[in-house]
Amino acid sequence: DSGVTQTPKHLITATGQRVTLRCSPRSGDLSVYWYQQSLDQGLQFLIQYYNGEERAKGNILERFSAQQFPDLHSELNLSSLELGDSALYFCASSVVGTGNGEKLFFGSGTQLSVL
Amino acid sequence: AQTVTQSQPEMSVQEAETVTLSCTYDTSENNYYLFWYKQPPSRQMILVIRQEAYKQQNATENRFSVNFQKAAKSFSLKISDSQLGDTAMYFCAFMKGEANSKLTFGKGITLSVRP
Repeated sequence: DSGVTQTPKHLITATGQRVTLRCSPRSGDLSVYWYQQSLDQGLQFLIQYYNGEERAKGNILERFSAQQFPDLHSELNLSSLELGDSALYFCASSVVGTGNGEKLFFGSGTQLSVL
Repeated sequence: AQTVTQSQPEMSVQEAETVTLSCTYDTSENNYYLFWYKQPPSRQMILVIRQEAYKQQNATENRFSVNFQKAAKSFSLKISDSQLGDTAMYFCAFMKGEANSKLTFGKGITLSVRP
């Protein structure tokens, strides 16, 4: 167990809908990362937060947004969902989020299915 | 931009045998880190091993070791005494050695350990 908690584990929804994925980092970790894993794109970095502030942005669509709250948990919001958004969404955390070789610890992911 | 290539999509090994998973990468950076992550059927991404590019000594973690060839930009993972629990997808990943860098993953390789 990595100590990173993601809920829900599975989510099934329809096109056009909006969903929220939740992540609680390991105790003491200040930084949270979101990754998307799909069959065609592999593992793609979406966005990173550090202590409540956005630190880095990757291949995140405008329909997607995230935030990190004062208690350090994070939420990834996906709106106007399309079939192609079906994927496994991972949250990871690290102590300070400075990159530079810092180890990331991943949760078990949320499997999103858009029908 | 950095790229990570895992050209073998699948491998199979007999229990208790040794197997080597290949990874190559392309970068113009001199300071970076390389990782292997394991994703078993439970889907969780588990950190297996990390290598600092500035270290000549190959990293080892129990039955897992790497063969890091910086000039050739090669980073292979050797699993000794393979166990059934090693059955998983294995991802090679790269991170620049600077602030706010992120993990860039390869496509992964599926390893099956046969009893």
